[in-house]
Amino acid sequence: EIVMTESPATLSASPGERATLSCRASQSVSSNLAWYQQKSGQAPRLLIFGASTRATGIPARFSGSGSGTEFTLTISSLQSEDFAVYYCQQYSKWPYTFGQGTKLEIK
Amino acid sequence: QVQLVQSGAEVKKPGASVKVSCKASGYTFNRYYIHWVRQAPGQGLEWMGLINPSGGVTTYAQKFQGRVTMTRDTSTTTFNMELSSLRSEDTAVYFCARDASGTYYVAYYFDYWGQGTLVTVSS
Repeated sequence: EIVMTESPATLSASPGERATLSCRASQSVSSNLAWYQQKSGQAPRLLIFGASTRATGIPARFSGSGSGTEFTLTISSLQSEDFAVYYCQQYSKWPYTFGQGTKLEIK
Repeated sequence: QVQLVQSGAEVKKPGASVKVSCKASGYTFNRYYIHWVRQAPGQGLEWMGLINPSGGVTTYAQKFQGRVTMTRDTSTTTFNMELSSLRSEDTAVYFCARDASGTYYVAYYFDYWGQGTLVTVSS
């Protein structure tokens, strides 16, 4: 199975700052990579699919990049509602696996 | 609007079975596969399998094969996930999630999620 590794485990940042989250796959997943945001007690929300395409209704401050084994989620200017846990997911090969998450917390 | 509304929390003893339901509304039922994903307390997300609403064909993650059964009821637009031989490690929030593709292929990423159902396995 493909192992997805996210880093850092926790990222501390202030509102208005830029945040960069990383996701690495143990083997190539091409561009078959999605990002989700999960707030405490809620279901995940789809942010990005195809490594770089924003889902419907997702603000432009969220952007994704990368292909193969290295991926990045960037939040250009953090808003208070962006502090949450972020997961990457590969959907290249069965079984479809998620990273362990990056917690984005307020500094 | 698309809604996936799940059944309420369950407490089960080891060895028992649990059935979680997910009622779909606000979209064409037969067009979108439904997946089940679980999340153990404080942990990440784990894909369990999917069901094709047209015909009910299923694919399960190898880890759950033999223990999980996913079904759908077209008359009530409801999906069900039953997990048997429960053990403490099955304590988790179980989510149903809609596949993002509404066409003949499966996207395997998820655009709408249910609110989650907490299943606690404890003696």
